[in-house]
Parts: sequence; structure tokens; C-alpha cells
Amino acid sequence: EAGVAQSPRYKIIEKRQSVAFWCNPISGHATLYWYQQILGQGPKLLIQFQNNGVVDDSQLPKDRFSAERLKGVDSTLKIQPAKLEDSAVYLCASSSTGGWNEQYFGPGTRLTVT
Amino acid sequence: SQQGEEDPQALSIQEGENATMNCSYKTSINNLQWYRQNSGRGLVHLILIRSNEREKHSGRLRVTLDTSKKSSSLLITASRAADTASYFCATDVGMIKAAGNKLTFGGGTRVLVKP
Repeated sequence: EAGVAQSPRYKIIEKRQSVAFWCNPISGHATLYWYQQILGQGPKLLIQFQNNGVVDDSQLPKDRFSAERLKGVDSTLKIQPAKLEDSAVYLCASSSTGGWNEQYFGPGTRLTVT
Repeated sequence: SQQGEEDPQALSIQEGENATMNCSYKTSINNLQWYRQNSGRGLVHLILIRSNEREKHSGRLRVTLDTSKKSSSLLITASRAADTASYFCATDVGMIKAAGNKLTFGGGTRVLVKP
């Protein structure tokens, strides 16, 4: 079974530029999550999708961050414009539906904003 | 502040020794999960313990949960150099089962196992 795929693995941009991350969850997993992990801290949930609907985006900075999950499979997370404090690893995770289960994480995208 | 807080923040042990780390949280939970993160990689799920369970084992891992004290512990027995990683507890406070879990992660315990 293929795991959660993310791309790119690394990205360096200047502040005020835009960037997009892509995630492909495990096949059949209806729930998809985006987390932000700042160096030395635990992951923080940004947004949670159930199929193509948003379940929770309370911690997503909506003035600059956006995410979509068209067709209920792949998802993209965008930052526009980026700030220095957005430097972090962005993790995508998925889980199966129907209960409180473990989450499966992708390798993450390491973003550096200069 | 974060829902889960791990203690200690860092731990250094010799190969073969046991490693114990603790997690405290603040609100009622559905379950508590432990994850491992090797340097520069994504998180890997280790073990899930439900709120009505008190102890769970998986290989060299032993997890306990005390809901009255709102705390959990993870014990790694007979540690190996490959156990060097950061360990995170995550509390699940999801209210709608069909919508999946809602995890809040602690800051992690960084474990170094010296050969």
C-alpha cells in the first residue's frame, strides 16, 4: 500500500512570494489533514478535510493561507504572500473514515522563507 | 498553550536501557496516540490507547493512561540506537466520530540512544 505522497520536499522562497504544496493521501482515506511544524515544536493542525468538505480550519491564517481538496482526493495548500515566520515543515496526513483512528503522515515539505 | 505536554523535553540513554517519557493534557479525550519522528522525516504512528483503556503494549513499547490524572507514559524497553528520534503524544478530542479524529500534539521528547 502506497503511503501519503507530498511534493515538493524542499522549497526556498523570498518573503512576499507565493508557494503551493501538493498532497496525495492513501487510497480510500476520506479524511485529510494539513499540519504546520515549526522547528523544535509539535505539529499544529491547519485544516482538516472530510472528502472535499472542510471539517476544521480554525487555525488556518485565512488572510494568506488557502487549501482545497477537489474531487475528494488530492489536496493543495497555498501561501500568498509568504512571511518569514511561515518557515516550517508542512505535513500532510490522512486517516480512514468511521472512527477515531491513527493518522498516516507524508514526508513533509520543508519551506524556508528568506 | 498546547493540550499535551511531554516531559522530559530531552533524554539521553545508553543502548539497552529503558526510556520513559510522560505526557500531560488538560481536557477530556477520546484517545491518546504516540508518534515517532526521525530527523527530517514525517511522523510514524506507534500506538493508540482509548480513554477506557489503562495500559497497552506493542513490541518493546508500553503505554499507560490515567484519565483521572490526565496523563500518559510511554516506555521503550531495551532501547536501540535506531530508537533515536523525537516522540510526540497527541490527544484526540474529536467530537464527531464520522468526521475523524482531531489531534493536538505536544512539543515532543527528543530521545538520544547512545551505542
